Amino acid sequence: EPEVTQTPSHQVTQMGQEVILRCVPISNHLYFYWYRQILGQKVEFLVSFYNNEISEKSEIFDDQFSVERPDGSNFTLKIRSTKLEDSAMYFCASSDLGFTEAFFGQGTRLTVV
Amino acid sequence: AQTVTQSQPEMSVQEAETVTLSCTYDTSESNYYLFWYKQPPSRQMILVIRQEAYKQQNATENRFSVNFQKAAKSFSLKISDSQLGDTAMYFCAFMKLAQGGSEKLVFGKGTKLTVNP
Repeated sequence: EPEVTQTPSHQVTQMGQEVILRCVPISNHLYFYWYRQILGQKVEFLVSFYNNEISEKSEIFDDQFSVERPDGSNFTLKIRSTKLEDSAMYFCASSDLGFTEAFFGQGTRLTVV
Repeated sequence: AQTVTQSQPEMSVQEAETVTLSCTYDTSESNYYLFWYKQPPSRQMILVIRQEAYKQQNATENRFSVNFQKAAKSFSLKISDSQLGDTAMYFCAFMKLAQGGSEKLVFGKGTKLTVNP
């Protein structure tokens, strides 16, 4: 069964450092998303991406965040200068044109120290 | 803006019994989807069940069924014959339908379900 793959599963970084979280969506999907879940809290939408551009972003997705689909298969989330409050689980998801469900990756746990 | 409310932070049930998780939502949209996602300790997000708002019939998936009350904006999940593997966090989610595109999911805060042996 096709799946969304995220790497790394856990990343520890120092405050102020840049991090890149990587995702390989399901190959025939066209819509890509990043969500965030701070420990013990609900899952929050960050950004959606379609046709090589951002289609929607939340208030959380400020200038420190960016997304890219560099090579037609990977979908990345970059945080330029990490803050302690960026510590969270980050989920990538993808869906197809007819959207019947969003398929989620297993998540990347980001810890900022 | 849409909101999703799960009023039960935690619930527990005995193995083999039935449990119902509550969810209400607020929207002015008429076309939308509702979902229940399961998040086990591994923290993977797994789709449990989906309901299209235009369908009056309640969705079922094996031991999982929903009670969708559109007028009341209520979408509860019933788990029958609970199993230990059902122990997880359960999130209710809303997605409005958009022409020509896909929309984001709006999640509730979750209900932590524990199935006791």
